Amino acid sequence: DAGVIQSPRHEVTEMGQEVTLRCKPISGHNSLFWYRQTMMRGLELLIYFNNNVPIDDSGMPEDRFSAKMPNASFSTLKIQPSEPRDSAVYFCASSPGTGGVSGNTIYFGEGSWLTVV
Amino acid sequence: DQQVKQNSPSLSVQEGRISILNCDYTNSMFDYFLWYKKYPAEGPTFLISISSIKDKNEDGRFTVFLNKSAKHLSLHIVPSQPGDSAVYFCATMDSNYQLIWGAGTKLIIKP
Repeated sequence: DAGVIQSPRHEVTEMGQEVTLRCKPISGHNSLFWYRQTMMRGLELLIYFNNNVPIDDSGMPEDRFSAKMPNASFSTLKIQPSEPRDSAVYFCASSPGTGGVSGNTIYFGEGSWLTVV
Repeated sequence: DQQVKQNSPSLSVQEGRISILNCDYTNSMFDYFLWYKKYPAEGPTFLISISSIKDKNEDGRFTVFLNKSAKHLSLHIVPSQPGDSAVYFCATMDSNYQLIWGAGTKLIIKP
């Protein structure tokens, strides 16, 4: 099993530039999650999708952030324009997502390390 | 208000001994709990989980205990190994798929 695959692993960009992070969930998983980790706030859920449909985006910090899931095997998180305070590690995760809470283990990718200068 | 609490920011244990990591939660409706391990520069890795219908789940050196009346769970690692040095997160999941995390406990295994 390839696990959750994220790209790029590392990105350094200038303030104001557009950043696109990509994720391939585990095949067969119905739920996909985007998390952000910072020293100050720990691990925060930004948005999650179930069967490619965004279910809860209340964690998305601002309109500069957007996420899409055009099909079951691909999702993007876009930041436009980027700001230095967006510097963080962004994790994508997926889950079998049977619809119930119990037993829905979430599997994480290795993260995309974003630095905005 | 934190719904999942890991009150020990760090824990130091001698190699070969038992490591016990603790976690408390506030909502008795939570019915599924997970432990994740995280190394620096890597994503959290799922370790072990427990459903509220059980009070114990064991997987190799890792055992999770759940005390529903006390709203407390613990992760036991025995024997502890140097590779176990990492940050351990306790988490639960609400009905909206929100993973509710504890702040983490940094485990240091001393040789």
